[in-house]
Amino acid sequence: GESVGLHLPTLSVQEGDNSIINCAYSNSASDYFIWYKQESGKGPQFIIDIRSNMDKRQGQRVTVLLNKTVKHLSLQIAATQPGDSAVYFCAENMDTGRRALTFGSGTRLQVQP
Amino acid sequence: DGGITQSPKYLFRKEGQNVTLSCEQNLNHDAMYWYRQDPGQGLRLIYYSQIVNDFQKGDIAEGYSVSREKKESFPLTVTSAQKNPTAFYLCASSNDGGNQPQHFGDGTRLSIL
Repeated sequence: GESVGLHLPTLSVQEGDNSIINCAYSNSASDYFIWYKQESGKGPQFIIDIRSNMDKRQGQRVTVLLNKTVKHLSLQIAATQPGDSAVYFCAENMDTGRRALTFGSGTRLQVQP
Repeated sequence: DGGITQSPKYLFRKEGQNVTLSCEQNLNHDAMYWYRQDPGQGLRLIYYSQIVNDFQKGDIAEGYSVSREKKESFPLTVTSAQKNPTAFYLCASSNDGGNQPQHFGDGTRLSIL
């Protein structure tokens, strides 16, 4: 998975462009993955999830892609808006016996007007 | 409205003091979770509970305690044994935390006086 560090990786995009946020997950046995958006001082909000029997899932303006071969997850945001500026986390159910999620360290998305 | 309520939003702890963070949900979820978030980092699991009167340690349980006497409530106590308690604490609930989205409260920020 993503290494934990004091400084979040940051993706800066222009308003209206498409954004792609990437995540390398840890466990090849994980079968459920989820993306969250967290605004400053708030709790994470669910964006979209995907199970391991799928490669792609689309929501409103968002698409999640899962590549199990290289243990890679991505979140694509179409026509990025200023309100999309936040920290984005991926999570996986690494230990299915525990029935809990393990979170990556996050990516900050900055949308320039 | 259904959701998760955390209180207080800000909390200050004196040296040697135990403090309790409240988490209440009216989503009728069986599972509840406590996470700790440090600046620029992801979420780390402190404790979780899959059902009333049962709970398990997460990855960083030392210095914390919980109870689950009611389905709706999962309070977290930060004890004096937790030497570095300053952090943002997030509570979540889910029908099945390993296979369905977890819904988060808006957090409690704990600081040391």
